Amino acid sequence: SQTIHQWPATLVQPVGSPLSLECTVEGTSNPNLYWYRQAAGRGLQLLFYSVGIGQISSEVPQNLSASRPQDRQFILSSKKLLLSDSGFYLCAWSVQFDEQFFGPGTRLTVL
Amino acid sequence: SQQGEEDPQALSIQEGENATMNCSYKTSINNLQWYRQNSGRGLVHLILIRSNEREKHSGRLRVTLDTSKKSSSLLITASRAADTASYFCATDTGRRALTFGSGTRLQVQP
Repeated sequence: SQTIHQWPATLVQPVGSPLSLECTVEGTSNPNLYWYRQAAGRGLQLLFYSVGIGQISSEVPQNLSASRPQDRQFILSSKKLLLSDSGFYLCAWSVQFDEQFFGPGTRLTVL
Repeated sequence: SQQGEEDPQALSIQEGENATMNCSYKTSINNLQWYRQNSGRGLVHLILIRSNEREKHSGRLRVTLDTSKKSSSLLITASRAADTASYFCATDTGRRALTFGSGTRLQVQP
């Protein structure tokens, strides 16, 4: 069966520090991968999606970047965090562009 | 405003009652999906309805889709305290990524 992992579960970082969030998927090949951000009590904002290794589409211009170094690994990064980067970050995968399967999320607090 | 917007933003009902949530969207869709999110957790897919379908059932869930009105509704029958969560609609417009609404927070009082 397929599983999706995200880590860390929670993170507290100072403004200006770098960020690296990792997401890995098991049990499927060549998945579509997604990064979302959710502000408290709000909906999901799509940040990046990837349909294959090295293929990244950015939805919202910001100080975040994403990379897909391996088929089932998706990394969200920042060189310098802003206060506005605080939120709940969710990784998801899909086979077709139908149902998406979400990871448990990373709660990021930037102080 | 977003492609998908849920209404109401918050809903509080008693256990055993039915809960109805609505979603409106703006552009043509391939399908519309409903997801559930427990507090502080990831989203869980509930049901998908395609643009050529009008109604779909899954257990206590009933989803309708009216493409002429660009709207969908999610009905949860005989609600339980465990149904307490946020519910999101998401639309597939062929962009290779879903667009999520802002959600309805459902509180089911035991």
